[in-house]
Amino acid sequence: EVQLVESGGGLVQPGRSLKLSCLASGFTFSNYGMNWIRQAPGKGLEWVASISSSSSYIYYADTVKGRFTISRDNAKNTLYLQMTSLRSEDTALYYCARRATPPGYYFDYWGQGVMVTVSS
Amino acid sequence: DIQMTQSPASLSASLEEIVTITCQASQDIGNWLAWYQQKPGKSPQLLIYDATSLADGVPSRFSGSRSGTQYSLKISRLQVEDIGSYYCQQAHSNPRTFGGGTKLELK
Repeated sequence: EVQLVESGGGLVQPGRSLKLSCLASGFTFSNYGMNWIRQAPGKGLEWVASISSSSSYIYYADTVKGRFTISRDNAKNTLYLQMTSLRSEDTALYYCARRATPPGYYFDYWGQGVMVTVSS
Repeated sequence: DIQMTQSPASLSASLEEIVTITCQASQDIGNWLAWYQQKPGKSPQLLIYDATSLADGVPSRFSGSRSGTQYSLKISRLQVEDIGSYYCQQAHSNPRTFGGGTKLELK
């Protein structure tokens, strides 16, 4: 059974940093592209960042480019999101999501999400 | 960026009713479109991909269609377990963008 378990969220002051983790199990992690997608309270879904299976291709939403860094450790089956210079508008539930088998870029498995609250 | 305009934003329907949600892409995305269902308090789940293909385990009362740059999700006979929010997503190019969502409630 595919499982994605996020951790590392919490309350953080504006301008500070936070690192999220997503532990994957039930599939060969190193074969799949991975993503972070967020959802502000009561709002819709916003794709944040993606990383290919071997970390060769990395993309970011303009809203986080230069502040967030996506990475992965295939030996540890773990995806990361390093968030710096956090803003109030980064407050959201952050989901880790697996890219479905190509060619389409869809998200076939999602974690339960981890809450990040940016507030003084 | 490709904009996905989803409508309606909210919808109230009765059990067994036919429900249709639409998504308009701001440019040609071919069949590179998915639909997701998000039940209250849960993570989104993939319903349909490639505009018309049903994901594993999704009931056959769900279907997707395309007309040009307009995409539709249809629920043929609404069930209580279908209540929640629905989102379209374009898979044509980065950034991967979602529609604003449709909140489906029971009448």
